[in-house]
Amino acid sequence: QVQVMESGGGVVQPGGSLRLSCAASGFTFSRIGMHWVRQTPGKGLEWLSFIESDENKRYYADSVKGRFTISRDNTRNTIYVQMDSLRPEDTAIYYCAKDDPVLGVWGQGTLVTVSS
Amino acid sequence: DIQMTQSPSTLSASVGDRVTITCRASQTIVKWLAWYQQKPGEAPKLLMDEASRLKSGVPSRFSGRGSGTEFTLTISSLQPDDFATYYCQHYYGFPWTFGRGTKVEIK
Repeated sequence: QVQVMESGGGVVQPGGSLRLSCAASGFTFSRIGMHWVRQTPGKGLEWLSFIESDENKRYYADSVKGRFTISRDNTRNTIYVQMDSLRPEDTAIYYCAKDDPVLGVWGQGTLVTVSS
Repeated sequence: DIQMTQSPSTLSASVGDRVTITCRASQTIVKWLAWYQQKPGEAPKLLMDEASRLKSGVPSRFSGRGSGTEFTLTISSLQPDDFATYYCQHYYGFPWTFGRGTKVEIK
């Protein structure tokens, strides 16, 4: 069964950092690109970042470019997003998704709250 | 960035109704459009890609049409399980963007 599961969310102060993880199972992870997407009541769904299977290419939304870094560990079937310089507007549910070639399988999401 | 405009934002309908949701792109995206369904408290679920290619397990009452800049999602006979929010999303190059969603609610 193809699954992805996010973890690492929580409450962080503005300007702080957080690293989210996404563990995958049920498919050949090392051959598949992966995405991060977030959702807020105000802005809806927002695609954030994509990483190719071999990490050769990474793409980011302008809203997070320079602050967020996507990476992966193919030995652990896991992707990460390192989120730095967090802002209140980064408060959202963060999802990872398997590239299929769109967002084929989503996790349940992890909530990130940026607040003092 | 390509802007995706969905309409209507809310749609009130009854079981058995035929409903259509429209999604417009600010520039051509050829056929590179996906539709998702989201229920409260759940992650979005992929319904179709390439504008009209239904994913495995999605009921045939769902259909998609369009190319270029204008696309539609139609539910031929609305069922109780279909009351949800629907999103379109282009994948014609990064950054991918979503429409703001259409909430299909019970009339």
